[in-house]
Amino acid sequence: EPEVTQTPSHQVTQMGQEVILRCVPISNHLYFYWYRQILGQKVEFLVSFYNNEISEKSEIFDDQFSVERPDGSNFTLKIRSTKLEDSAMYFCASSTGLAGGPREQFFGPGTRLTVL
Amino acid sequence: AQKITQTQPGMFVQEKEAVTLDCTYDTSDPSYGLFWYKQPSSGEMIFLIYQGSYDQQNATEGRYSLNFQKARKSANLVISASQLGDSAMYFCAMREEGLTGGGNKLTFGTGTQLKVEL
Repeated sequence: EPEVTQTPSHQVTQMGQEVILRCVPISNHLYFYWYRQILGQKVEFLVSFYNNEISEKSEIFDDQFSVERPDGSNFTLKIRSTKLEDSAMYFCASSTGLAGGPREQFFGPGTRLTVL
Repeated sequence: AQKITQTQPGMFVQEKEAVTLDCTYDTSDPSYGLFWYKQPSSGEMIFLIYQGSYDQQNATEGRYSLNFQKARKSANLVISASQLGDSAMYFCAMREEGLTGGGNKLTFGTGTQLKVEL
């Protein structure tokens, strides 16, 4: 069964460093998302991406964040200068976006980012 | 106001018993979808069940059913015949579909930690 994959599973970085989190969405999906979950808290939406551009972003997704689909398979989240409060689990998700049916978002296993 | 409210931070249930996890939502959008996801201790998010706002019948998927009461704006998850492997965090989420309906974000509740006991 197709699945969303994410690398790395765990990333440790120093405050102020840039990190890139990578995701491979399910191949025939059209919509891509990043969410984050601070330890013990709820999952929060960061950004959605469709047709090679951002379709929606939350207030969390400030100028320090960017997303890219550099080729036909990868979807990346870049944090330019990490802060302590960026420590969280980051989930990538994808969906078909087609009309009708649940169009559920399939989540990857997550990347745990630890900022020291 | 919170869009998704889960009032039970933790629940216990005996193996083989049924359990109901509560979820209420708030939206003025006439078209929306409600989802339940399971998050085991390993951390992944597993889709369980979906209910569309226009669906006439309650959704069911195996041992999972969704008790959808539109007038009350509630979408409770019912797990029948609980198993030890059901122990996990459960999140209710909503997608407001507006005019596009295509790839809208999910808004999550704070979750309910379910523990299944022998």
